[in-house]
Amino acid sequence: NAGVTQTPKFRILKIGQSMTLQCTQDMNHNYMYWYRQDPGMGLKLIYYSVGAGITDKGEVPNGYNVSRSTTEDFPLRLELAAPSQTSVYFCASSYTGTGAYEQYFGPGTRLTVT
Amino acid sequence: GQNIDQPTEMTATEGAIVQINCTYQTSGFNGLFWYQQHAGEAPTFLSYNVLDGLEEKGRFSSFLSRSKGYSYLLLKELQMKDSASYLCAAMDSNYQLIWGAGTKLIIKP
Repeated sequence: NAGVTQTPKFRILKIGQSMTLQCTQDMNHNYMYWYRQDPGMGLKLIYYSVGAGITDKGEVPNGYNVSRSTTEDFPLRLELAAPSQTSVYFCASSYTGTGAYEQYFGPGTRLTVT
Repeated sequence: GQNIDQPTEMTATEGAIVQINCTYQTSGFNGLFWYQQHAGEAPTFLSYNVLDGLEEKGRFSSFLSRSKGYSYLLLKELQMKDSASYLCAAMDSNYQLIWGAGTKLIIKP
């Protein structure tokens, strides 16, 4: 099991560019999440998905979009990148079927927008 | 509103015991999580409490009081590798995690 994988690990974007952060999990988890973590701050939920074809906004969704066409994949799209989107992005997944809500995290993508 | 409070930084000595406190306010409550995050890495799960009381797992224990909106993480026999940030997160009525900013634990020899 690879768990949760994310690509790329690092990326530098210019203002106004777009990119997609990839996330894949091989644990057959139903829930998937995208968080951002700014220095010295807690994790902020961007979007989440409770299953294939279903997504919903979190606390800070502006400037981002997601899709969930399969159980395994949950890409995050940044349109028109802005310096405020400089952050570390974590994808996570969990299985809620047994009442265990532990979230498993990918290694993160460090994004700089200049 | 929803809020998690935990100390920003704590310092302890190798071999000692340290307690990291967390208070929470959420819309509904479905449990309290503790995660460990080493610098530059992803958070990893440590514990989950949904009932009042103490849960022990090796050198780490976690306590919950639902009536007080309070939890703590107790680390015993501290090792240098325990130097990390410890994140407290409460699960609200929508099963979403509300995260604290983390407590940076510095271990000195």
